[in-house]
Amino acid sequence: AQSVAQPEDQVNVAEGNPLTVKCTYSVSGNPYLFWYVQYPNRGLQFLLKYITGDNLVKGSYGFEAEFNKSQTSFHLKKPSALVSDSALYFCAVRDGNTGFQKLVFGTGTRLLVSP
Amino acid sequence: EAGVTQFPSHSVIEKGQTVTLRCDPISGHDNLYWYRRVMGKEIKFLLHFVKESKQDESGMPNNRFLAERTGGTYSTLKVQPAELEDSGVYFCASSQGRGSETQYFGPGTRLLVL
Repeated sequence: AQSVAQPEDQVNVAEGNPLTVKCTYSVSGNPYLFWYVQYPNRGLQFLLKYITGDNLVKGSYGFEAEFNKSQTSFHLKKPSALVSDSALYFCAVRDGNTGFQKLVFGTGTRLLVSP
Repeated sequence: EAGVTQFPSHSVIEKGQTVTLRCDPISGHDNLYWYRRVMGKEIKFLLHFVKESKQDESGMPNNRFLAERTGGTYSTLKVQPAELEDSGVYFCASSQGRGSETQYFGPGTRLLVL
């Protein structure tokens, strides 16, 4: 069975500093990995995904994530944080070897960017 | 292009009552998914439609939940009778076809059962 761990409930960073939101996963087949963001009173917005190819994936709003197979990680990063990046971030995984398309999510990490 | 829409945005009902949630996927998307987030925990999968057929309903918690997608367009999720533990945010998502397509989520319906 698939699982996702987001070890930090909250990440605090000052505006302009780099940010990292951690995610590790467990899946028996090929991992399809996703990051979503939820702003207050909004739905989930897709940020980026890794399916295959280059381990460094670039997404919306300047975010990127690095797939690390040996460490089973898919950390979300941004070189310079903005106050407007403050939101709830979810990592998700899907087993690419099965016909089932359900996503398994982590518990979410709240990012707070201070001015 | 319109995104995934959900109705209502909020619903407050009493234990034992019935509630029906509606989801309209992105036009042309064959795949429709229901998820929910209970008590601020992780978002959990409920079920997956391909057009009007249930592809995977392994996440449905019990027989008080009934999902339909007649005609392969919009979907409804009915909870009857509602229990306190059903409170949470119900998300709908859609994707275009098979494979690695991204699932696009709606804004969610916040359900509170008193």
